[in-house]
Amino acid sequence: QQKVQQSPESLTVSEGAMASLNCTFSDGTSDNFRWYRQHSGKGLEVLVSIFSDGEKEEGRFTAHLNRASLHVSLHIREPQPSDSAVYLCAMSMSPNYNVLYFGSGTKLTVEP
Amino acid sequence: GGIITQTPKFLIGQEGQKLTLKCQQNFNHDTMYWYRQDSGKGLRLIYYSITENDLQKGDLSEGYDASREKKSSFSLTVTSAQKNEMAVFLCASSIGGAQNTLYFGAGTRLSVL
Repeated sequence: QQKVQQSPESLTVSEGAMASLNCTFSDGTSDNFRWYRQHSGKGLEVLVSIFSDGEKEEGRFTAHLNRASLHVSLHIREPQPSDSAVYLCAMSMSPNYNVLYFGSGTKLTVEP
Repeated sequence: GGIITQTPKFLIGQEGQKLTLKCQQNFNHDTMYWYRQDSGKGLRLIYYSITENDLQKGDLSEGYDASREKKSSFSLTVTSAQKNEMAVFLCASSIGGAQNTLYFGAGTRLSVL
């Protein structure tokens, strides 16, 4: 079973409308979560890291973590066409935090 | 800031060929990683290394070798390329530890004829 599941697989929003992406994980001992973005043909860029329940904001990107429901989400405020990319959720857990498990990604398209 | 450089950007090989991918980082990070990215499957860990000359297997290590020649470089070898194989190989580095953040290179795109 995959440790990290992302939904939806693809999402289209209009410029300026909030975009919400979801990630569920299978192991309740997962500690550390990150959201990455990957533009076509490029490497991964880290957006937000969150290590405790609640909310973490980095500019227009806000992550929400709820370990009890095994869920972490990413909300993008006022998305722009340049935010069109694949968004990947990743988590790591004790004892080996060096190993990150990734979801398969959500492809976001922001239409002008 | 630092940068991770992967070479080559594109790699075309023949079935059965041994192929080597290279990665250099100037972050002075201790830990380096190789991930494979297939369409629709996310990233899967092949090998990582927590220091020079160290190697740790990931979930996808079979069919690959790796070498951490020095702190700044980490190479990956496909021991026998599979026909019609297509994937992107991503190198990353981090300081390691509980709240480490991985920084990624732009990838090497492999196609096997």
